[in-house]
Amino acid sequence: QKEVEQNSGPLSVPEGAIASLNCTYSDRGSQSFFWYRQYSGKSPELIMSIYSNGDKEDGRFTAQLNKASQYVSLLIRDSQPSDSATYLCAPNTGGFKTIFGAGTRLFVKA
Amino acid sequence: GAVVSQHPSRVICKSGTSVKIECRSLDFQATTMFWYRQFPKQSLMLMATSNEGSKATYEQGVEKDKFLINHASLTLSTLTVTSAHPEDSSFYICSARDGGLAGGPSTDTQYFGPGTRLTVL
Repeated sequence: QKEVEQNSGPLSVPEGAIASLNCTYSDRGSQSFFWYRQYSGKSPELIMSIYSNGDKEDGRFTAQLNKASQYVSLLIRDSQPSDSATYLCAPNTGGFKTIFGAGTRLFVKA
Repeated sequence: GAVVSQHPSRVICKSGTSVKIECRSLDFQATTMFWYRQFPKQSLMLMATSNEGSKATYEQGVEKDKFLINHASLTLSTLTVTSAHPEDSSFYICSARDGGLAGGPSTDTQYFGPGTRLTVL
């Protein structure tokens, strides 16, 4: 059973639009989540972490966590072509291994 | 903060040789490091979990005698690909968990190194 489920995409949005990336999870014990961005040919980089229900904003990025519905999302406002990448959602496993899914490929059209 | 380095970033070797890849956490201590492999256009594949001072835990299907992992200190883990063959050519990425050992709070965040691209001829 996968820890998280994401739409693999590609999700295509025009430049300047809001990109919405969603992730659902099955383990109700998951308390916090991380969002990573991976450019083609590069390793993942951490862009957001969220530890409690609600929204967390950081610049153009907003992470949302809804534990009752078991989903976590990432909104990217004013999307730029440089945001084109694969976005990975991962639960905080407390130091135990994390099995990453394929993530969602985002393509921002100029 | 929270920087993880990998060395080398790129290596080309002949079939049958061994290659060692180093993964270092530069500004935090990591009791746990992870090694991943990624083929083009595929997902990250976890190879093993490396705990400081103990033997690594390998994922099913990963040969422990071929992929030797050593985690001798809180800031360094190494992966040695022994007797490399062309099918071992891949992008190897390590990550380190910030467990808050240096007096700070533990976030259990995984920080990734920049990766090592291995090409076996």
